[in-house]
Amino acid sequence: DTEVTQTPKHLVMGMTNKKSLKCEQHMGHRAMYWYKQKAKKPPELMFVYSYEKLSINESVPSRFSPECPNSSLLNLHLHALQPEDSALYLCASSPRGEKLFFGSGTQLSVL
Amino acid sequence: SQKIEQNSEALNIQEGKTATLTCNYTNYSPAYLQWYRQDPGRGPVFLLLIRENEKEKRKERLKVTFDTTLKQSLFHITASQPADSATYLCGYGSNQGGKLIFGQGTELSVKP
Repeated sequence: DTEVTQTPKHLVMGMTNKKSLKCEQHMGHRAMYWYKQKAKKPPELMFVYSYEKLSINESVPSRFSPECPNSSLLNLHLHALQPEDSALYLCASSPRGEKLFFGSGTQLSVL
Repeated sequence: SQKIEQNSEALNIQEGKTATLTCNYTNYSPAYLQWYRQDPGRGPVFLLLIRENEKEKRKERLKVTFDTTLKQSLFHITASQPADSATYLCGYGSNQGGKLIFGQGTELSVKP
């Protein structure tokens, strides 16, 4: 299995909702990532987990809360988001922190 | 702080020609540079990685170079095809923490 699976593919939420994005990989990769991508812009790094521990937080607002329950799973918990948080959220994994394998993303709309 | 720039937002070429995309960085040499392809609505797909002590890497019709004097990486697609049309992202990384930062991307369009 060489895939990174993200669910859901699309999500619409209100500003008072709480929702979670999920990411799963079964390649035994030690590093997992969350990126945010706005239309016509490059992916922006949000968080990096290494060996299930948060190693990089790129000064992301606390309304985004990552969680790594085990070496195969990565969640992104969302609470009190703003319309400007609407974007494509990409999860990635990497065996050694170099070559990244990306999922297809969750397209998030905040109303 | 380190900056990475891809100097063309869009590149249009004729089928069969060689596409050349440029990635420039400022300040220190990154440990490696990577190139990814991204199609609309999809995640980026890894293409090639080149380390600072390597001058050139090839994979099928793809070639990437790394010039630490010019602080530049060039990405070439030879015998380009319409199916090569996509956005190409350059990313730099360090040997610490697995951080990968992308340039703004170049949208390549190959016309038949």
